[in-house]
Amino acid sequence: GAVVSQHPSRVICKSGTSVKIECRSLDFQATTMFWYRQFPKKSLMLMATSNEGSKATYEQGVEKDKFLINHASLTLSTLTVTSAHPEDSSFYICSARELPRGRGGTGELFFGEGSRLTVL
Amino acid sequence: GEDVEQSLFLSVREGDSSVINCTYTDSSSTYLYWYKQEPGAGLQLLTYIFSNMDMKQDQRLTVLLNKKDKHLSLRIADTQTGDSAIYFCAEESPYNQGGKLIFGQGTELSVKP
Repeated sequence: GAVVSQHPSRVICKSGTSVKIECRSLDFQATTMFWYRQFPKKSLMLMATSNEGSKATYEQGVEKDKFLINHASLTLSTLTVTSAHPEDSSFYICSARELPRGRGGTGELFFGEGSRLTVL
Repeated sequence: GEDVEQSLFLSVREGDSSVINCTYTDSSSTYLYWYKQEPGAGLQLLTYIFSNMDMKQDQRLTVLLNKKDKHLSLRIADTQTGDSAIYFCAEESPYNQGGKLIFGQGTELSVKP
C-alpha cells in the first residue's frame, strides 16, 4: 500500500533552535498534505492544510510564523518549528491525500508514522 | 462547527467483544473512519464507511452508522490483547478544504487476559 514517510521520527533540540520535519509520499503524488499535532493521550489537532505550490491554510490559533509549512512538490511537505520552546514538544503527524481519481490517483488519505519533538 | 466525541476508556476481557462509540455533529459528513494508534506510533486505518451505508463488516470489525442520530460504532469481535490501543473515529466532509479529517478524542481500549 501507499506509504507516507516522516523524517526524523524523533528529534531532541535545545530551546531557541529551529527544527524541520519532512513528510514524503513515497509511491504516490499528493495534492494535499495535512499536519497534525498530538499531545500525550490526546486527540490529533489539525494545524494546517498544505497544497502543493500554494500557501498553507492554518487552523485558528496556530501561529503561522511559528510553524512554517512548505509544500514544494507533489511528494514533499515540510514543517519547520521556529525558535522551538519546551511547550512545542509534541508528536507531529502528517497525512497525504493522493491525487483524485480524475487525475490518475485514488483520492485516498495516508498517514505518516509521526515525529516526536522534544525541546529541552 | 464540527465536533467528534468519544468515550475515553474501555476495558474488556480477552475473547469478549468490544464496542467503541462515537458521535459527530457535521451532517454533511461523507466518510467516517476508524483509526488505531499503538503507543508511540502513527495512525493505522482500520476501516471506513460511506455515509449512505448503515453497516460495514470486515473480518472481526463491524461498523454501524446511524446517520439520523449521527452515531458511529466499531465492534471488535473476539478481542485480543494485541487489540489494546487507542482508537480514533474521524469524519470527513467535502466542505472541509482538501478533505481534512476531524478526529475524536480517542478511546483507549485495554484488553485483559
